[in-house]
Amino acid sequence: SQTIHQWPATLVQPVGSPLSLECTVEGTSNPNLYWYRQAAGRGLQLLFYSVGIGQISSEVPQNLSASRPQDRQFILSSKKLLLSDSGFYLCAWSWGINTGELFFGEGSRLTVL
Amino acid sequence: AQKITQTQPGMFVQEKEAVTLDCTYDTSDPSYGLFWYKQPSSGEMIFLIYQGSYDQQNATEGRYSLNFQKARKSANLVISASQLGDSAMYFCAMRESLTGTASKLTFGTGTRLQVTL
Repeated sequence: SQTIHQWPATLVQPVGSPLSLECTVEGTSNPNLYWYRQAAGRGLQLLFYSVGIGQISSEVPQNLSASRPQDRQFILSSKKLLLSDSGFYLCAWSWGINTGELFFGEGSRLTVL
Repeated sequence: AQKITQTQPGMFVQEKEAVTLDCTYDTSDPSYGLFWYKQPSSGEMIFLIYQGSYDQQNATEGRYSLNFQKARKSANLVISASQLGDSAMYFCAMRESLTGTASKLTFGTGTRLQVTL
């Protein structure tokens, strides 16, 4: 069966510091990968998605970037965090066919102080 | 305009009763998909049910059913025989243009369901 893991689960970082959140999928090959952010009390906002190694699409211009160095690895990064980057970040994967339901990781809660 | 609207910020239901969570959507695309997700306090998003725009019958998955009214652009989630473990946030989401491999879902703001004894 397929599993998805992301880490760290919780992160407290000062303004201006770098960020790296990592996500790994097991049990499938060539998944589509996604990064979503959930602000407090809000719905999910799509940040980035990838349909293959090295292929990154950005949905919202911002202070963040994403990379896919391996087939089942997706990384969310920032060189200098802003207060507004605080939130709950969720990684997800989907098959490239079928209805397209997303399967989410456990989430990473980022607090920027 | 909001693509997905969930007008109920919070709902209460008694254990063993049925509850309906509302969702309306806005799209001009004839081909789309609608999803419901559950988010417990742990934060993980759990896929519940899917309805395609061309599906003739309402989707059902165990105690979950989707009341799909295409002309009204609504896709309400019905949970039958509520259980205490159903207490969570529930999100409605839409995927437009089912061509292409990427599944870019747009989410509503969610409804918090509380199941009481």
